[in-house]
Amino acid sequence: GAGVSQSPSNKVTEKGKDVELRCDPISGHTALYWYRQSLGQGLEFLIYFQGNSAPDKSGLPSDRFSAERTGGSVSTLTIQRTQQEDSAVYLCASSPRRGDTGELFFGEGSRLTVL
Amino acid sequence: AQKITQTQPGMFVQEKEAVTLDCTYDTSDPSYGLFWYKQPSSGEMIFLIYQGSYDQQNATEGRYSLNFQKARKSANLVISASQLGDSAMYFCAMREYYGGSQGNLIFGKGTKLSVKP
Repeated sequence: GAGVSQSPSNKVTEKGKDVELRCDPISGHTALYWYRQSLGQGLEFLIYFQGNSAPDKSGLPSDRFSAERTGGSVSTLTIQRTQQEDSAVYLCASSPRRGDTGELFFGEGSRLTVL
Repeated sequence: AQKITQTQPGMFVQEKEAVTLDCTYDTSDPSYGLFWYKQPSSGEMIFLIYQGSYDQQNATEGRYSLNFQKARKSANLVISASQLGDSAMYFCAMREYYGGSQGNLIFGKGTKLSVKP
């Protein structure tokens, strides 16, 4: 499809395990975002990639969280040594290059449950 | 300090009536954009409307309009003729444009709107 694709859609893991969440943005979109949404809460900004610029990592909650974006396209969010408080829906979004309004196009999210 | 404030955790409106969802923002950047998104219970994020800081007129998109009061730093969403399908979480968001480059998009905590038949 032409939208933002995220995988897995659901992930259940045990406390202490590492997880990787993948995001495939819309083709041609230079900006990519990761947000976290806990049950019934708002969107918490995690990290933002814009083209070849250094990513804005100011939202990552701890050094257990990291993300990379390879070739300016697919991004992987990695959570090491998962904790129960990491349980949330992780949303990825992309937007076209500067000059546009910057509307974000969201994926359907990856629901992470840490037991 | 919070950059986006939505003071109404929950709102009720009668079907076919209009409703206003409040949003105030904080920025010192003269160039910014304001967005509203809808998130139904299915979880998808749906873009509704955009207002640029230099736009002279309030944005409108169908039944959605944005009441932009720049001096007060408010960007309230007005939904006219509410429908049952409007029941959802509504998020206000802001993007600052630093020297022409896009900053990231910061969201408020949201308002849960319930439309009563």
